[in-house]
Amino acid sequence: RKEVEQDPGPFNVPEGATVAFNCTYSNSASQSFFWYRQDCRKEPKLLMSVYSSGNEDGRFTAQLNRASQYISLLIRDSKLSDSATYLCVVRNVGGGSNYKLTFGKGTLLTVNP
Amino acid sequence: EAQVTQNPRYLITVTGKKLTVTCSQNMNHEYMSWYRQDPGLGLRQIYYSMNVEVTDKGDVPEGYKVSRKEKRNFPLILESPSPNQTSLYFCASKPPGGINYGYTFGSGTRLTVV
Repeated sequence: RKEVEQDPGPFNVPEGATVAFNCTYSNSASQSFFWYRQDCRKEPKLLMSVYSSGNEDGRFTAQLNRASQYISLLIRDSKLSDSATYLCVVRNVGGGSNYKLTFGKGTLLTVNP
Repeated sequence: EAQVTQNPRYLITVTGKKLTVTCSQNMNHEYMSWYRQDPGLGLRQIYYSMNVEVTDKGDVPEGYKVSRKEKRNFPLILESPSPNQTSLYFCASKPPGGINYGYTFGSGTRLTVV
């Protein structure tokens, strides 16, 4: 089983749609969880950290289910500017002092006018 | 502006010709790391550094070296580049403290080895 697995996509949605990304991780001892976005040929940028209680930032809602080892990201009222690749990211325990982040392969989202 | 700066942005080189990709951050971060990104494989960690003079291997260190003589700089060295090191490289740093802090990435270096 891959360490971090995401929907392969791609997703094509119209403006205003709600879109959900799903992610599973294999290491039950994982400590920290994130969603990053990456525009074509650019660096990944932190979208939001994901907390056990779930968290929201404007149109974006992230959820974490530790029992199922599952992370989700919901984007409401999608905009053209949301078009990007969304990366599910996990930090695992056991790396000592290495804050290594393990990345999923990403899901490409295209929002159409 | 707080940032991680990589140079060069693009580089085409020949097999065996030593090269260095520079990385500098102005945020006084102790932790820095190098990743490479390849189609179908995602981002993989090459090396990381916890602080000055403290470096260690990531998941794919073969063919690479790093150094950390100053806190702000973390260069990636390819002593004898090969075509399988053609990739998109990112340097990143992380602020101290909470485990929920993410990385700040540099803009990337697209390397082609012919």
